[in-house]
Amino acid sequence: DVKVTQSSRYLVKRTGEKVFLECVQDMDHENMFWYRQDPGLGLRLIYFSYDVKMKEKGDIPEGYSVSREKKERFSLILESASTNQTSMYLCASSLAGEVPYNEQFFGPGTRLTVL
Amino acid sequence: GQNIDQPTEMTATEGAIVQINCTYQTSGFNGLFWYQQHAGEAPTFLSYNVLDGLEEKGRFSSFLSRSKGYSYLLLKELQMKDSASYLCAALDSNYQLIWGAGTKLIIKP
Repeated sequence: DVKVTQSSRYLVKRTGEKVFLECVQDMDHENMFWYRQDPGLGLRLIYFSYDVKMKEKGDIPEGYSVSREKKERFSLILESASTNQTSMYLCASSLAGEVPYNEQFFGPGTRLTVL
Repeated sequence: GQNIDQPTEMTATEGAIVQINCTYQTSGFNGLFWYQQHAGEAPTFLSYNVLDGLEEKGRFSSFLSRSKGYSYLLLKELQMKDSASYLCAALDSNYQLIWGAGTKLIIKP
């Protein structure tokens, strides 16, 4: 079974703090994604990566950065946390390839509260 | 712009059948996914459709009409454990997933 793990289930930080969210997958997937999920809104893509050291902006990258130094690990960084970044953060991974059928496997999520 | 519409909430009775609709508008189309998400948990894959028609998988079936930009998820013989949110997502021409806000399904005994 594919397993995607995230470093924390719940996190409380203060405005202005630097926040690191870690995601690790154990199935050698090429693609990794970071989403945020807010009530009444669909999953919104923050950043994604198709390979080590490679990153692409998603729909809402402002205020975030990412790092992918190893294939299995994809980190989301909030340089200076703000209250509007309070959300559920979901990491996902999938296989690469020409086929469009790229089922994404999700981690359990990190619920981040910024005070 | 790109958009996915699905009802916010639905209620159904244990043992019954429910149909959750999804309409989509995307730049190009490379298929439609349905995911299930129990409260506080990660979304998990249910189905993928790229051709018109009905795909059946046990108690769950998914239908797609590309010409109408329409899909539905059909759940039969509802069980209490089916209480969850159901997320519709369309794959656009860049193979990016466009997600709906999800439909919260409440099952009553």
